[in-house]
Amino acid sequence: EIVLTQSPGTLSLSPGERATLSCRASLSVSSNFLAWYQHKPGQAPRLLIYGASTRATGIPDRFSGSGSGTDYTLTISRLEPEDFAVYYCQQYGNSPSSTFGGGTKVEIK
Amino acid sequence: VQLLESGGGLVQPGGSLRLSCVASGIRVIDYAMSWVRQAPGRGLEWVSAISSSSTKTHYVDSVKGRFTISRDDSRNTLHLQMNSLRAEDTALYYCVKSAANALLWFGDFWGQGILVTVSS
Repeated sequence: EIVLTQSPGTLSLSPGERATLSCRASLSVSSNFLAWYQHKPGQAPRLLIYGASTRATGIPDRFSGSGSGTDYTLTISRLEPEDFAVYYCQQYGNSPSSTFGGGTKVEIK
Repeated sequence: VQLLESGGGLVQPGGSLRLSCVASGIRVIDYAMSWVRQAPGRGLEWVSAISSSSTKTHYVDSVKGRFTISRDDSRNTLHLQMNSLRAEDTALYYCVKSAANALLWFGDFWGQGILVTVSS
């Protein structure tokens, strides 16, 4: 099973700043099957990125994903007030199971 | 697309619950569907998935033999039958539509979640 480790655990930033979130896999993620989600309290998680770098429908272009193999990054170019949330990465399409990282909380500094 | 979960609640260890997820805006028969959970203070954990044809199912090891995923296509509904519940099954359970008909895939639509609490 692929274990995903996200860092940092918490990122304290101000609106307008750039956020860089890391997701490291214990084994190479085949075909870059890596997704990112945004999760706010009391809401359904929202798909942001799939295939490591493809933005989901309706996702603003300030969100971008990159990486390959075992190292992936989600970048938010300029934080908007609504971007403060918890972000999860997920590897998919790899047996025996799909797994999520532990999450990175982006909080207002 | 809307996914509305129901059936959660408080149950004693060893007890059973059946979660349901009614879909609108999509036909569940056209997609693989999954359940993902989040225990208090923890991250997300993929639990189970079922293919669009219902011929294939998949479970995380910790629930194998205790949980059963199924679908009622006539009611456009996904179910999760949970037996022999344990305290560690306490979580918010999300119904998830897979972006493709593939079991271990990413979800493009999620429900709001339903709380399951296992406690005596």
